[in-house]
Amino acid sequence: DGGITQSPKYLFRKEGQNVTLSCEQNLNHDAMYWYRQDPGQGLRLIYYSQIVNDFQKGDIAEGYSVSREKKESFPLTVTSAQKNPTAFYLCASSIWGGATGELFFGEGSRLTVL
Amino acid sequence: AQRVTQPEKLLSVFKGAPVELKCNYSYSGSPELFWYVQYSRQRLQLLLRHISRESIKGFTADLNKGETSFHLKKPFAQEEDSAMYYCALGGTGNQFYFGTGTSLTVIP
Repeated sequence: DGGITQSPKYLFRKEGQNVTLSCEQNLNHDAMYWYRQDPGQGLRLIYYSQIVNDFQKGDIAEGYSVSREKKESFPLTVTSAQKNPTAFYLCASSIWGGATGELFFGEGSRLTVL
Repeated sequence: AQRVTQPEKLLSVFKGAPVELKCNYSYSGSPELFWYVQYSRQRLQLLLRHISRESIKGFTADLNKGETSFHLKKPFAQEEDSAMYYCALGGTGNQFYFGTGTSLTVIP
């Protein structure tokens, strides 16, 4: 089954802990994205990567970190520096890095900080 | 600044009635505009893009550069159209900018 797989679907963490969300794609897409979705705020871009070993900050990168060591994988770490981490996180990919192509989304990961 | 505005958070229409979901954008260049849809318990997915000029599931959207709008329209709403709709702009820096979304409910 081709597509984007995010894990875990639900995650709970205590304040002060880092947590890593996984995103894997088997679409052979070059570009990958992480969005945060909050009620009434739509999707806001955290980080994106157009190619392996390269990534750029989005509008709300503070408190997050990413890596892109493999084309298929783009994990997101929510660090303890993120002031309001409870949210729904969406990973997406597109065939190339330009903002003209279709985005393919994962099912999302819901993070709750206790 | 690049921005997408969807003024309606919630929209309800009766089955068979026309529906229009509004989207306005702010962008200095030549915009790439999209509508994405999220049905209940499904992933967010592309509905249509302005460059394709096609009708998907009876929906159309016309880019009006003068009014900087990209409204989504369907002449006869169906119950299965109930979903969350997001307008998106492909902007500079290879980023996509999303609106806040409109939740459409089609009343039987």
